[in-house]
Amino acid sequence: ETGVTQTPRHLVMGMTNKKSLKCEQHLGHNAMYWYKQSAKKPLELMFVYNFKEQTENNSVPSRFSPECPNSSHLFLHLHTLQPEDSALYLCASSQHGSHGAFFGQGTRLTVV
Amino acid sequence: DQQVKQNSPSLSVQEGRISILNCDYTNSMFDYFLWYKKYPAEGPTFLISISSIKDKNEDGRFTVFLNKSAKHLSLHIVPSQPGDSAVYFCAASPIIQGAQKLVFGQGTRLTINP
Repeated sequence: ETGVTQTPRHLVMGMTNKKSLKCEQHLGHNAMYWYKQSAKKPLELMFVYNFKEQTENNSVPSRFSPECPNSSHLFLHLHTLQPEDSALYLCASSQHGSHGAFFGQGTRLTVV
Repeated sequence: DQQVKQNSPSLSVQEGRISILNCDYTNSMFDYFLWYKKYPAEGPTFLISISSIKDKNEDGRFTVFLNKSAKHLSLHIVPSQPGDSAVYFCAASPIIQGAQKLVFGQGTRLTINP
């Protein structure tokens, strides 16, 4: 248990569906992140939220839409995804001034 | 262009021996380096880190070495134990100004044989 909780753990969705991934951190951190891990590729940073404000969008397609209502919660809204978007989506959080981030267990997404 | 590279996708080591995992980076702006460990169906967990002002950091069985001139770091695990079998990711971070942007390598799958 790292203090970062992601739901659901597994998700299968069709290309026309809309779904959301949820992340919650109980560590009092002020930055939250979404990472994507595709097969045989490094973890790729998608979005960074700093004090609830988005500070980084790493050229992510608009079919991925993040939302950060407060510093403890982070969502990733998904719509009209493609099969190649199937991957492990990881949420992380960190505290300003410290190095490293704490990761959740991830959501295994399969787009059919 | 990949800024952090782990060129060995897998490594197999006998229990009790030393495991050495390697990582190379290209960006001179990185000033902090981390190793994460990942078991199947779990997120990465922080293992050990090192600042660019140091060349060695030790924590129990784990030691990280940094060679800035070669832009190379390595993780030594000694003695290796079966529970160390996992995927190990090297990550690098530039100077912190607020939120951070960790750049990860592809990972090395370590298998410890009994």
